[in-house]
Parts: sequence; C-alpha cells; structure tokens
Amino acid sequence: AQSVTQPDIHITVSEGASLELRCNYSYGATPYLFWYVQSPGQGLQLLLKYFSGDTLVQGIKGFEAEFKRSQSSFNLRKPSVHWSDAAEYFCAVGPATGGGNKLTFGTGTQLKVEL
Amino acid sequence: GAVVSQHPSRVICKSGTSVKIECRSLDFQATTMFWYRQFPKQSLMLMATSNEGSKATYEQGVEKDKFLINHASLTLSTLTVTSAHPEDSSFYICSAKAAEAFFGQGTRLTVV
Repeated sequence: AQSVTQPDIHITVSEGASLELRCNYSYGATPYLFWYVQSPGQGLQLLLKYFSGDTLVQGIKGFEAEFKRSQSSFNLRKPSVHWSDAAEYFCAVGPATGGGNKLTFGTGTQLKVEL
Repeated sequence: GAVVSQHPSRVICKSGTSVKIECRSLDFQATTMFWYRQFPKQSLMLMATSNEGSKATYEQGVEKDKFLINHASLTLSTLTVTSAHPEDSSFYICSAKAAEAFFGQGTRLTVV
C-alpha cells in the first residue's frame, strides 16, 4: 500500500531564512509526487509535481523539490521564506496512470514564519 | 490554473438533519471528482471517487448510505451528509480532475 510520511508536524523559520520540508513515500511502482499548500480554512493549491524526467522540479512561489529515488524522498525547499508562506503543506503520492487519481496525502507540516 | 468552487464554505446543522455540499468546476469539465475528509490536525482522507453519470466508488469504511454522492453533470458533484451526527463534523474538500486534480476551498461542517 502506498503511504506518505511527513516527519515534521510543525516547523518555524525566520523570514528570509531557507526552508526544507521533508517527505518520504512508500510506493510499489514509479510514483507521481505532489506538494500542496493549504491556507487556513481553504482548499489545496498545487505547488509542484513530479512525474518523470529531471528530478529537480520547480514550482510556483519560488518553491522547488527534489525527487530522490534511492531515499524515497521528495523534499520541498525554498531559499528565502516570506511571511505569506505560513500555511500547511502536504506531500502526496499518486499512481503513474494519471495526475490526481486517488492521491495519498501525508499528515502535513504546519509552517510558521517569524518576522 | 483551473477553478473549483465548493459551497457552502461553512455550515452548522442540527443532529439528524441532512446537509448538501456542492463542488463545481467553473472553467473545465471534470469527468471525475473526488471527495476528501480532513480531521483537525490530520491529513486528507479520500472518501469516494465520483464519476459523471455513474455511481460513486467509495473507499473502504465509508458508508455510502450516509454520504450520498451525485455527479449529474460534468461540472457539478454533490455530497449529502444524511442524518448528520456530531462525529460527522469535519472539513470536507472536493477535487475535480481534468489533466490533474484541482481542489475546492473546502467546507467546514459542524453538527450540533
């Protein structure tokens, strides 16, 4: 069965500092991997996704993520965090038959940004 | 990106009543929509997959008679929580799939 682990429930960083959110997955085949951001009381917005090809993917809002098959990881990074980045971040994995089908989500990481 | 609109964003209902939540894809047609439930401080759990014109496929452990899903058109799916109980209080999120899934803004349901 597929699963996603986000080891960090909460992370606090200072504005302007770099950020890395961890995501590890378990999947029986080549996965599709996603990072979503959720603001309070809101739905999910796709930050970036990995289907194949270059293992370093660029997303919106200055985020990037690197797929490392050997480590079963897909960590999200941002070089300089802005206060508006404070939100909940979810990593998700889905089957390689098409983006968005039956996504399995991690438990999320709550990001706080100190001014 | 594509827009998915979910309504209402927040609803309070009495125990025993039914509540309908709508999920609309505003600028694209979605043959498949998904309904998720999110408990406080937890992740999203897939409840069911809704296919236009056919019966929804429910995940294991989800009561199909309690959570009625209708996907009557390519732009609208509805989730009706029947005979709501306080334990049904949760955040419900839909997503609509075109080439990829786009999410609605969610509905906070509180059953009192």
